[in-house]
Amino acid sequence: ETGVTQTPRHLVMGMTNKKSLKCEQHLGHNAMYWYKQSAKKPLELMFVYNFKEQTENNSVPSRFSPECPNSSHLFLHLHTLQPEDSALYLCASSPAAGERSNTEAFFGQGTRLTVV
Amino acid sequence: GNSVTQMEGPVTLSEEAFLTINCTYTATGYPSLFWYVQYPGEGLQLLLKATKADDKGSNKGFEATYRKETTSFHLEKGSVQVSDSAVYFCALSQTGANNLFFGTGTRLTVIP
Repeated sequence: ETGVTQTPRHLVMGMTNKKSLKCEQHLGHNAMYWYKQSAKKPLELMFVYNFKEQTENNSVPSRFSPECPNSSHLFLHLHTLQPEDSALYLCASSPAAGERSNTEAFFGQGTRLTVV
Repeated sequence: GNSVTQMEGPVTLSEEAFLTINCTYTATGYPSLFWYVQYPGEGLQLLLKATKADDKGSNKGFEATYRKETTSFHLEKGSVQVSDSAVYFCALSQTGANNLFFGTGTRLTVIP
């Protein structure tokens, strides 16, 4: 138990569906992250939120839309995805991002997404 | 810039063998260094860390020493177990950066 909870653990969706991934952290952290982990590829940073403000969008297609309503919750809204978007999506949190911190991140267990 | 280069796998060892997974980094300033482990079907878990030169991080029999002169943070364990089978990621964190920088991961399989 890392203090970061992701739901759902598994998701199968069609290319025309709209779905959302949820992440919640109980660690009092101020930074939250979305990562994509595909088979045989390095971990890819997608988005960073620091104190609820998006501070990084790593050239992610607009079919992925993040939302951070508060420092404890992070969503990833999905629409019109492609089969190549199938991957493990990992959420992480850390005390803060950027100039305030060089500490580790705590990861959730991930959502295994399959786009059919 | 910041980057991490990690020994490519997969690595297959017999139980009780000695493990080394190499990791070197490029960074400006003084990063913190980490090893994360990912068990099958799970997210990443912090295994150990070191925050300054010559620090040794250790946990569950694993060790890694922050070597600034060789810019390395190699992971070692003296006697691996089947339960150590997982993917291991080396990472660095840099003050002023928005992100952890990860290596590509090394898959370890330990056979009885």
